[in-house]
Amino acid sequence: AQKVTQTQTSISVVEKTTVTMDCVYETRDSSYFLFWYKQTASGEIVFLIRQDSYKKENATVGHYSLNFQKPKSSIGLIITATQIEDSAVYFCAMRVMDSNYQLIWGSGTKLIIKP
Amino acid sequence: GPKVLQIPSHQIIDMGQMVTLNCDPVSNHLYFYWYKQILGQQMEFLVNFYNGKVMEKSKLFKDQFSVERPDGSYFTLKIQPTALEDSAVYFCASSLALRLSNERLFFGHGTKLSVL
Repeated sequence: AQKVTQTQTSISVVEKTTVTMDCVYETRDSSYFLFWYKQTASGEIVFLIRQDSYKKENATVGHYSLNFQKPKSSIGLIITATQIEDSAVYFCAMRVMDSNYQLIWGSGTKLIIKP
Repeated sequence: GPKVLQIPSHQIIDMGQMVTLNCDPVSNHLYFYWYKQILGQQMEFLVNFYNGKVMEKSKLFKDQFSVERPDGSYFTLKIQPTALEDSAVYFCASSLALRLSNERLFFGHGTKLSVL
């Protein structure tokens, strides 16, 4: 079975600090793609960053980076220099290559950035 | 950046009625999706659509659900008849390519459906 798990329901940090959000996944496929999306208070869902399973290097986009630990089936999202506007719900999702077309989502982590 | 528009943002209907949720995907995108999110829970895939056909659907895509995109118009999700458990936020998404499994999806803001 394929599954994505985010155990942290809510995290609160002070702005300008670094935060890590956890995500673990389950799949028997050797090729897969891992995504992080952000859902703002308005409901908008925005793509942040992606990791391809065959790439060893951790993906980095702006102040988002990933901690990809393939042996542990883990794909943590790291946000450095957090800002108030980073407050949102962050979803981890997985798509398996050449299989079904759907994204399998985690339950989300609510991130609160305090001044 | 590219935008997916969903109309309306909120729809309230009585159980048993029909409802149509409308989505205007990114203009050059070819693949369209509907996802369902019950408040506080994760997003769940309903269906995807390409070239006038349903490509894949989940168990949540009940017989009462249907999708279509007549030429040049909205990509729609129709529920007929509605049930109380259909209350959720429905997100439309689109993407340019599907066979590239690393393709990102562009999402709309969602339509909140309240079935009374």
